[in-house]
Amino acid sequence: GAVVSQHPSRVICKSGTSVKIECRSLDFQATTMFWYRQFPKQSLMLMATSNEGSKATYEQGVEKDKFLINHASLTLSTLTVTSAHPEDSSFYICSASPISGDRDTQYFGPGTRLTVL
Amino acid sequence: AQRVTQPEKLLSVFKGAPVELKCNYSYSGSPELFWYVQYSRQRLQLLLRHISRESIKGFTADLNKGETSFHLKKPFAQEEDSAMYYCALKNNDMRFGAGTRLTVKP
Repeated sequence: GAVVSQHPSRVICKSGTSVKIECRSLDFQATTMFWYRQFPKQSLMLMATSNEGSKATYEQGVEKDKFLINHASLTLSTLTVTSAHPEDSSFYICSASPISGDRDTQYFGPGTRLTVL
Repeated sequence: AQRVTQPEKLLSVFKGAPVELKCNYSYSGSPELFWYVQYSRQRLQLLLRHISRESIKGFTADLNKGETSFHLKKPFAQEEDSAMYYCALKNNDMRFGAGTRLTVKP
C-alpha cells in the first residue's frame, strides 16, 4: 500500500528557532500534498496545499511567511516553521494523493509533534 | 462554504451493540465523503468512502443528500473498534469534522 513518511516524528526546540518537517511519499508520486495541524482534542485543520513546482496555497489565517512550504519533487514536501513560538506547539500531519491509481485517497503521514519551549 | 459536523465528541457502547457515528455536512455541490479512523498511537487511515459503497470491518455509511448526512454504522461493535473517527468532505481539499471518540466496552 501507499506509504507516507514524516521526519522527524518528534522535535523539541527553543523559541525563536526554525524547524523543518519533511513529508515523503515512499512508493508513489504526488503532485499535491497537504499539511494539517491538530491541536489537542481538536480536529485536523488544513493549513496549506503544497503543489509540486509552484507556490503553496494557504488557508485563511495561516501565515505563509511563518509556515514555509516547499514541494521540491513529486515525492517530497517540506514545512518549515520559522521563528517558532510556544503557540506553534502542535501535531503536524501531512497527506498525499497518488498521481495515478487511487487519486481520491489521501494517505497520511504519522505526524510530527512539535514542542516549542 | 463546505463544513463537516460531527455532533458527538464521545460515544461509548458495549461490545455487540449497534453503533452509529453521526456526520452532517454542508456543501453546495455533489459531495465526496469519507470516514477516516485513527487507532491509538497509529496514523490516520481511510476507513471507507461513499463512492465505493463498500463495507469495511463491518462498517457502512450511506450518503443521504436529503438530510445532508453520512452516518457511519456498524450492527455489532467490537472492542477493537475503539478509536477516533473523522468524517471528511473532499472538494479540492479535505475538510474534517471534529472527530468522535468511540469506546467499545467489554
